Amino acid sequence: GQNIDQPTEMTATEGAIVQINCTYQTSGFNGLFWYQQHAGEAPTFLSYNVLDGLEEKGRFSSFLSRSKGYSYLLLKELQMKDSASYLCAAMDSNYQLIWGAGTKLIIKP
Amino acid sequence: DVKVTQSSRYLVKRTGEKVFLECVQDMDHENMFWYRQDPGLGLRLIYFSYDVKMKEKGDIPEGYSVSREKKERFSLILESASTNQTSMYLCASSHSGEVWANVLTFGAGSRLTVL
Repeated sequence: GQNIDQPTEMTATEGAIVQINCTYQTSGFNGLFWYQQHAGEAPTFLSYNVLDGLEEKGRFSSFLSRSKGYSYLLLKELQMKDSASYLCAAMDSNYQLIWGAGTKLIIKP
Repeated sequence: DVKVTQSSRYLVKRTGEKVFLECVQDMDHENMFWYRQDPGLGLRLIYFSYDVKMKEKGDIPEGYSVSREKKERFSLILESASTNQTSMYLCASSHSGEVWANVLTFGAGSRLTVL
């Protein structure tokens, strides 16, 4: 079957760094997406990885290891506004997204 | 600069009622989607459409139907609402293309409660 695993909840301190992990098992693989969803709001696209390695975009970076079925989202210099849920989604062989349940990130001052 | 608009933010309906959820996008996107979001579960695709008058079943189409008469509008219909359809419904749109199709712009959601 197809499955995405990510932690349910994480807590971090303002100004610190946090890494949100995601492991996936899909029928074929065509890339890994991360979306951010603030409470009560729409999810918004953060990143897409299809090749192994780290892609940096400002304070946010996303990493992919295809051989390990593993990705992480790295958030640096955490700000209170980063408190949100982070959704991991893998694209299968049919280019359909398989979604994880999301990781709720709580930032404390 | 609202891009995907869902007509109702909160709805309360009774079991057996017919429910319409409307979604409009102003980005000239080819693809439109309806998802439901429930606590502890990943987003689940109900239906999607890649063109006007075209529709494809997602993972959980039972109990739902859709309509896309115009490119910018995608409606989700619950013919006879049931309590297990109480959920947050998210509409999304995207451009065509294998990867671009999954760079989704979501609406703010419609929270439906069925009593």
